[in-house]
Amino acid sequence: KQEVTQIPAALSVPEGENLVLNCSFTDSAIYNLQWFRQDPGKGLTSLLLIQSSQREQTSGRLNASLDKSSGRSTLYIAASQPGDSATYLCAVEETSGSRLTFGEGTQLTVNP
Amino acid sequence: GAGVSQSPSNKVTEKGKDVELRCDPISGHTALYWYRQSLGQGLEFLIYFQGNSAPDKSGLPSDRFSAERTGGSVSTLTIQRTQQEDSAVYLCASSLFSEQYFGPGTRLTVT
Repeated sequence: KQEVTQIPAALSVPEGENLVLNCSFTDSAIYNLQWFRQDPGKGLTSLLLIQSSQREQTSGRLNASLDKSSGRSTLYIAASQPGDSATYLCAVEETSGSRLTFGEGTQLTVNP
Repeated sequence: GAGVSQSPSNKVTEKGKDVELRCDPISGHTALYWYRQSLGQGLEFLIYFQGNSAPDKSGLPSDRFSAERTGGSVSTLTIQRTQQEDSAVYLCASSLFSEQYFGPGTRLTVT
């Protein structure tokens, strides 16, 4: 059974810092990995999707990497801003179009 | 364009009552998913519809839970004889290929 773990569970940083969120998964036979953002009381917003054949994806200040063989992904946020404060979730999809298995999330607070 | 919509946004019900939660997926998306997010359990898969195929119901926690998808579009999740442990946020997602797009969720509180 696939298990997804995210470290740290919570993170508080001053504005402007670069930071790294970690995600690990137990079964490396995945189809893709997706990073989401969730604001309090809201649904999930997709940030980046990395196919299993890819090593990384970038969008603006966000960069996600994938090391499938070791079962790890990182989300790098450059020059953090208070508006980045949210819970960040990673999820893996094991076959095309199948369910997502989520980690517990990292709650990020960026202080002005 | 319009995203995934869900209704109601909030629902408070008494223990033992039945509830229906609705999901309108993005137009043209063939796959539709229901997930549940509760304190201490994280986000867990409930059920998945893909086109005209039989749904994957393997995540439904009990036979009190059922879902249907009419005309390949709108879906309804029904919980019968609600229990307090059913209190959670119920999230719906849709996709055309792999990337899943989520709705805002329905917060269900069972008193």
